[in-house]
Amino acid sequence: ELKVEQNPLFLSMQEGKNYTIYCNYSTTSDRLYWYRQDPGKSLESLFVLLSNGAVKQEGRLMASLDTKARLSTLHITAAVHDLSATYFCAVDINDYKLSFGAGTTVTVRA
Amino acid sequence: NAGVTQTPKFQVLKTGQSMTLQCAQDMNHNSMYWYRQDPGMGLRLIYYSASEGTTDKGEVPNGYNVSRLNKREFSLRLESAAPSQTSVYFCASFRVKTEAFFGQGTRLTVV
Repeated sequence: ELKVEQNPLFLSMQEGKNYTIYCNYSTTSDRLYWYRQDPGKSLESLFVLLSNGAVKQEGRLMASLDTKARLSTLHITAAVHDLSATYFCAVDINDYKLSFGAGTTVTVRA
Repeated sequence: NAGVTQTPKFQVLKTGQSMTLQCAQDMNHNSMYWYRQDPGMGLRLIYYSASEGTTDKGEVPNGYNVSRLNKREFSLRLESAAPSQTSVYFCASFRVKTEAFFGQGTRLTVV
């Protein structure tokens, strides 16, 4: 059974500093997805990573995928308040089942 | 462009009552999903439908049934609601190697 683990589960960030969220998964896959969820809202897609070594960047967020290590990272550069949210990674292993990590709740403080 | 439409947004049920959550997508995706979200547990897959006419159990299917009515619609039914089914339910549609799109969620409380 696929397990997707994120850490940390809670992250208090100081504005202007850099941080990383880690996503490990237990079964071989080359398809990993990152989502953001604001409180009380639905999920919105951030990144789709489809191969070993894939790197995607959008604004202050950068995601990468190492399929050999079964690891993805979401790097946050110079955190700002607008990045406060919960971030989820998700993996699909058989083209149909999309399995999610528990989420990392990010709070950015001044 | 509506994406994924989920109804209702809120619902309160008494223990033992039944209800159906409706979901429709207009993106011509083959795969559709029902998840539940509980605090600290991420999203857990209840049922999924890889294509029209097929449905399969996910991680937490007990107490639920689904129907893939056609390519657009995928409904989730609670036959006899229990307090443990209090949760936020999300429907999603997905095409492999692209992003999944989520509905706005249904906040269900079972008293």
